[in-house]
Amino acid sequence: AQTVTQSQPEMSVQEAETVTLSCTYDTSESDYYLFWYKQPPSRQMILVIRQEAYKQQNATENRFSVNFQKAAKSFSLKISDSQLGDAAMYFCAYRSAYTGGAQKLVFGQGTRLTINP
Amino acid sequence: NAGVTQTPKFQVLKTGQSMTLQCAQDMNHEYMSWYRQDPGMGLRLIHYSVGAGITDQGEVPNGYNVSRSTTEDFPLRLLSAAPSQTSVYFCASSSPAHSTDTQYFGPGTRLTVL
Repeated sequence: AQTVTQSQPEMSVQEAETVTLSCTYDTSESDYYLFWYKQPPSRQMILVIRQEAYKQQNATENRFSVNFQKAAKSFSLKISDSQLGDAAMYFCAYRSAYTGGAQKLVFGQGTRLTINP
Repeated sequence: NAGVTQTPKFQVLKTGQSMTLQCAQDMNHEYMSWYRQDPGMGLRLIHYSVGAGITDQGEVPNGYNVSRSTTEDFPLRLLSAAPSQTSVYFCASSSPAHSTDTQYFGPGTRLTVL
C-alpha cells in the first residue's frame, strides 16, 4: 500500500518570504499523480498544484511550485512571496494511475502553515 | 453550478443512533468518494463509486454503508454511530473525461458522536 509522509507538522514564514513544505511517499508503482491541497480555516479542500509522475518538468502555478524528485520519492511545495491568505493546513496526496481514475487519494498528515505579518 | 454540496454541516449524535450524510454534485461526474478527517491525520477514504450502481470500499469502510442510485447523489449511512466515528466527513467528485482529472471536494460535515 502507498503511504505519504509530511514530517513538518507546523511551519511559519514571514510575509513576502519563501517557504518550502516537505512530502515524501512510498510506492512501488511507476505511474501516479501527486497533489498539494490547501485547507484554510473554512475547512474547504482546495487543489493547489498537481504533478504527473511521467512528467519530468516540475509543475508551477503562479507563486506555487514543486520540486519533484521521483527517484527519491520526494515532492516538496515551494510558496514564493508568501501572503497572509496562504495560511492554512497543507496536505500532500498521492493517487495511483492504475486505479482507473477511481480517485483513491492517499493523504499525508498535513502541515500547518502560519504567515507572520 | 453549485459543485459538491453536503448536508448537514454539523451534526451531534448519541451512540447507537443512525443517520445519513448527504452528498450531491451537479457536474455530472462519474466518480464520487467519501473521506473522513481526524485530528493529526490526513483524509482517509471510506467508500467510493465509479458510477451509478457501483460502489467499493476504501481504507476505512467499517461502520459505514453507501449506495449510488443516481449520478448526482452519494449518501453515506451510519447504521449505529460510535464515538470513534466522530470526525469531519468530506465528499468528493471527479470525472475521467476531464483532462485534469481533479477531485472537487464538498465543504465537509462535522459529526460528533457522544
